[in-house]
Amino acid sequence: ETGVTQSPTHLIKTRGQQVTLRCSSQSGHNTVSWYQQALGQGPQFIFQYYREEENGRGNFPPRFSGLQFPNYSSELNVNALELDDSALYLCASSPGRGWYEQYFGPGTRLTVT
Amino acid sequence: GENVEQHPSTLSVQEGDSAVIKCTYSDSASNYFPWYKQELGKRPQLIIDIRSNVGEKKDQRIAVTLNKTAKHFSLHITETQPEDSAVYFCAASEGNNDMRFGAGTRLTVKP
Repeated sequence: ETGVTQSPTHLIKTRGQQVTLRCSSQSGHNTVSWYQQALGQGPQFIFQYYREEENGRGNFPPRFSGLQFPNYSSELNVNALELDDSALYLCASSPGRGWYEQYFGPGTRLTVT
Repeated sequence: GENVEQHPSTLSVQEGDSAVIKCTYSDSASNYFPWYKQELGKRPQLIIDIRSNVGEKKDQRIAVTLNKTAKHFSLHITETQPEDSAVYFCAASEGNNDMRFGAGTRLTVKP
């Protein structure tokens, strides 16, 4: 069984640029959720994809967008980066729609300068 | 939307003692309550979860209790060990719409 993986591990971008983060779900999981975790805080839900369709979205602006592929891997795209976007971005996969038995990847640390 | 409050923010216990972390939620439709452990620099790890049709669930030294009427749930760790030291997050979700996390509790177990 393969766990959740994310790439890249670290990323440094300049304000105004665009970034794409990638996530491979755990084997057998068809749902991927993305979270933003600022330093010292709990994860904040960005959105979830279930079988390539968006299945819920948190309170994030439209410049945060995503995609899920037929193999259930996923991308998070952030346009027009702001300094406040600096955070750890976590993806998590689960075996069905929703959040039951959700397992996290190691995260991508994004720094916006 | 859902709001989840978690207390205390920090907790220090002696090895062997018990630790209790409490969370309250606002949305009465919430039906799933997981707990995650996050060690420094590592990913959150699911340690136990409970659904709204159950009042208590136990897994070895860890237990979670849920009071739907009062809208609160708690994590209980017995016989704490130094390796239990981490940040613990509670979360609550309602169906497929949203999942909200508490702000976290930093647990330190002193040997």
